Amino acid sequence: DAGITQSPRHKVTETGTPVTLRCHQTENHRYMYWYRQDPGHGLRLIHYSYGVKDTDKGEVSDGYSVSRSKTEDFLLTLESATSSQTSVYFCAISESEGLTDTQYFGPGTRLTVL
Amino acid sequence: DAKTTQPPSMDCAEGRAANLPCNHSTISGNEYVYWYRQIHSQGPQYIIHGLKNNETNEMASLIITEDRKSSTLILPHATLRDTAVYYCIVRVGPGANSKLTFGKGITLSVRP
Repeated sequence: DAGITQSPRHKVTETGTPVTLRCHQTENHRYMYWYRQDPGHGLRLIHYSYGVKDTDKGEVSDGYSVSRSKTEDFLLTLESATSSQTSVYFCAISESEGLTDTQYFGPGTRLTVL
Repeated sequence: DAKTTQPPSMDCAEGRAANLPCNHSTISGNEYVYWYRQIHSQGPQYIIHGLKNNETNEMASLIITEDRKSSTLILPHATLRDTAVYYCIVRVGPGANSKLTFGKGITLSVRP
């Protein structure tokens, strides 16, 4: 399995509080991604990074920000959590941007916003 | 990106081959077919991908029709641990914008 860890694995928080989720990789892959998974929606891309300090938005980026100061770490921040952000969050990594690059996923973080 | 259509569920007996179908009738020439699976509560796991030739690896085989409008993922000897949701994804690239779009997938249940 690809060396990807996510922390925390579970978190319960209250509406309006800031939350930061961490994704850590030991594979030295260039690309990192944050997805959320909700019933009826499958996985949806929030933000991705194509290098240190290089990030871009995905399809559901509103309410989220990201940062990548080191190759191995990709942080997802909810500045002011809302109940609609209750979800399971997955981080993924890939080595290249080619058509055949494969994304490897972390174990997920289950976030509940009360 | 081209859309994919998968039946919602299927089952098979342990030890038998599981053949999971996928339709992608609007696929274009530069789009790859990817398969991932997700075992309950875990992150998605890459299985295999292909362009137009059949592919095989240690996990599965991918059979793509000549017109590329459909494909079949084959798990040759299904085990109980193969019970999962399987996603067929058509992907156009290159670049990180070549995102994986996960649909609802097909739930495979392997019975003893």
